[in-house]
Amino acid sequence: NAGVTQTPKFQVLKTGQSMTLQCAQDMNHNSMYWYRQDPGMGLRLIYYSASEGTTDKGEVPNGYNVSRLNKREFSLRLESAAPSQTSVYFCASSEWRAGGNYGYTFGSGTRLTVV
Amino acid sequence: RKEVEQDPGPFNVPEGATVAFNCTYSNSASQSFFWYRQDCRKEPKLLMSVYSSGNEDGRFTAQLNRASQYISLLIRDSKLSDSATYLCVVKLDFGNEKLTFGTGTRLTIIP
Repeated sequence: NAGVTQTPKFQVLKTGQSMTLQCAQDMNHNSMYWYRQDPGMGLRLIYYSASEGTTDKGEVPNGYNVSRLNKREFSLRLESAAPSQTSVYFCASSEWRAGGNYGYTFGSGTRLTVV
Repeated sequence: RKEVEQDPGPFNVPEGATVAFNCTYSNSASQSFFWYRQDCRKEPKLLMSVYSSGNEDGRFTAQLNRASQYISLLIRDSKLSDSATYLCVVKLDFGNEKLTFGTGTRLTIIP
């Protein structure tokens, strides 16, 4: 059971370059999320998808786009990378079940540096 | 004001001691509460949910005070393996699965 798989694990970009972070989950969860984590800022929600075919902005969406390709996959795209986007990016998925021990399952993260 | 606030620490505690963290949240409509653990350079993982009546999982006890809008985590008989950052997490309402994370409290257990 792989859970949530993110690729790549590490990436260095030059300012202005574009890239897509990939995320896939095999737990049949409806909801998926992209967070970024910066020192002293905690995890901040970039975008989320409550179900296949829907996406919504989170707290810090500027400079990013997302695609919920199907139920399994949720990708994050940086169209024109900026040094302020240097961060650790986490993808997560969840499924709310009443009475269940609800929680997110996170991917292992992507460490992105923009120079 | 941040939605979820935690003392960042660090807390440096000798092995075997008891340590407690508190966390406050700003939205009184918050419905569900959790503690996550994050090891250095790893992803966060669910440690335990926090129930209104308080709950215990081995050496860990979580408490919720809705009137004062704070959550606590108590770790007894601390182990070296408890060294990590502990994230306080809040879920706003039943119709929304989004979680809001605190910035975390760093704990180091000293041999």
